Amino acid sequence: DAKTTQPNSMESNEEEPVHLPCNHSTISGTDYIHWYRQLPSQGPEYVIHGLTSNVNNRMASLAIAEDRKSSTLILHRATLRDAAVYYCILRDSPSNTGKLIFGQGTTLQVKP
Amino acid sequence: DGGITQSPKYLFRKEGQNVTLSCEQNLNHDAMYWYRQDPGQGLRLIYYSQIVNDFQKGDIAEGYSVSREKKESFPLTVTSAQKNPTAFYLCASSPRGRGVGGRDEQFFGPGTRLTVL
Repeated sequence: DAKTTQPNSMESNEEEPVHLPCNHSTISGTDYIHWYRQLPSQGPEYVIHGLTSNVNNRMASLAIAEDRKSSTLILHRATLRDAAVYYCILRDSPSNTGKLIFGQGTTLQVKP
Repeated sequence: DGGITQSPKYLFRKEGQNVTLSCEQNLNHDAMYWYRQDPGQGLRLIYYSQIVNDFQKGDIAEGYSVSREKKESFPLTVTSAQKNPTAFYLCASSPRGRGVGGRDEQFFGPGTRLTVL
């Protein structure tokens, strides 16, 4: 299974943009890049996903490098409610289970 | 409202006892998953099911068992054979099962925190 590498922690100020990086140098051509976040003592929450092109939704933007070996989750204006652990995940290829392979993620702290 | 429910939220068990964690979804999803999370760690897959009456072992299935008799239900039993069962257990579902690639998101329940006394 392809793996991802993320920084253990990051800090941001409230109302400023946050760029959360993820490296996935062994990604295959059919792997989707997913981002989830998890607040303390809660289940993970889907944030965004993409394959090759950059993606935007109401929560965030996902910028994918041209070679697909890295990606960046962008929170345009961080709020205190965005403080969570953010997981960058490569979703299993079409022939398999669809399972999510979680790493340790990046703990985002947002300062008021 | 549609979603995934897990019960109970907190569960205490004596060593040597089996215990069953409930997971129900009303999203009409084909695939369901059970994950385990230890403190400070990411989630690890225990079992998954892509269709009713079928399920597969995940990465850490030893000491656990599941059933999928109904589309909306996927209970997990933690048996006495599980050496270190104290953990946070999360159930998830996604619309489709095998063969649809990585497009579908997974929806997670609120989790059950199991403590072995």
